[in-house]
Amino acid sequence: AQSVTQLGSHVSVSEGALVLLRCNYSSSVPPYLFWYVQYPNQGLQLLLKYTTGATLVKGINGFEAEFKKSETSFHLTKPSAHMSDAAEYFCASRRGNQFYFGTGTSLTVIP
Amino acid sequence: DTGVSQNPRHKITKRGQNVTFRCDPISEHNRLYWYRQTLGQGPEFLTYFQNEAQLEKSRLLSDRFSAERPKGSFSTLEIQRTEQGDSAMYLCASSLATGTLYEQYFGPGTRLTVT
Repeated sequence: AQSVTQLGSHVSVSEGALVLLRCNYSSSVPPYLFWYVQYPNQGLQLLLKYTTGATLVKGINGFEAEFKKSETSFHLTKPSAHMSDAAEYFCASRRGNQFYFGTGTSLTVIP
Repeated sequence: DTGVSQNPRHKITKRGQNVTFRCDPISEHNRLYWYRQTLGQGPEFLTYFQNEAQLEKSRLLSDRFSAERPKGSFSTLEIQRTEQGDSAMYLCASSLATGTLYEQYFGPGTRLTVT
């Protein structure tokens, strides 16, 4: 079955530091991949998506992700963390008509 | 575009009672998804509709769960004879099935607590 694995359920970074959230997917064929952010008591908001084409994908709020087929990875990065980035982040893949979500990574930003 | 809305936002019920949640998708979206999210987990797919047709159901969706989308607009998710294990956030998402993107837009969720 199609699935994604997020490494690290909690990540802490200092304000202004690099943010790196890891996601690996399992599939013999590259799927469609997504990163979502969820703030407390809210739904999920799409940050960025990879379908085909350019492997470096830019999203909202300064986030970007790189699709690496050789590593089956789709890690999310942001050069400089802001306090407002503190939230839960989910990697997801789409296969057919279903979406499969990782277990999430909680990002804490330390002032 | 008013976004996806869900009602109620919170529901507390006693075990054994029935509950119904409503989702209003973005108006032009023809696909509607229901997910369940428990604490510390990502959303788990329950079911989805294209227009009024329910096309897929997860094995997670027991016989106590039923979903409808009359006229292909809003959708309801009913849970009968609730159990404490049903306590979760129930998320709705909608998308426009054109091309191959199927990008999903999520509602704020309904948090169910079964006591």
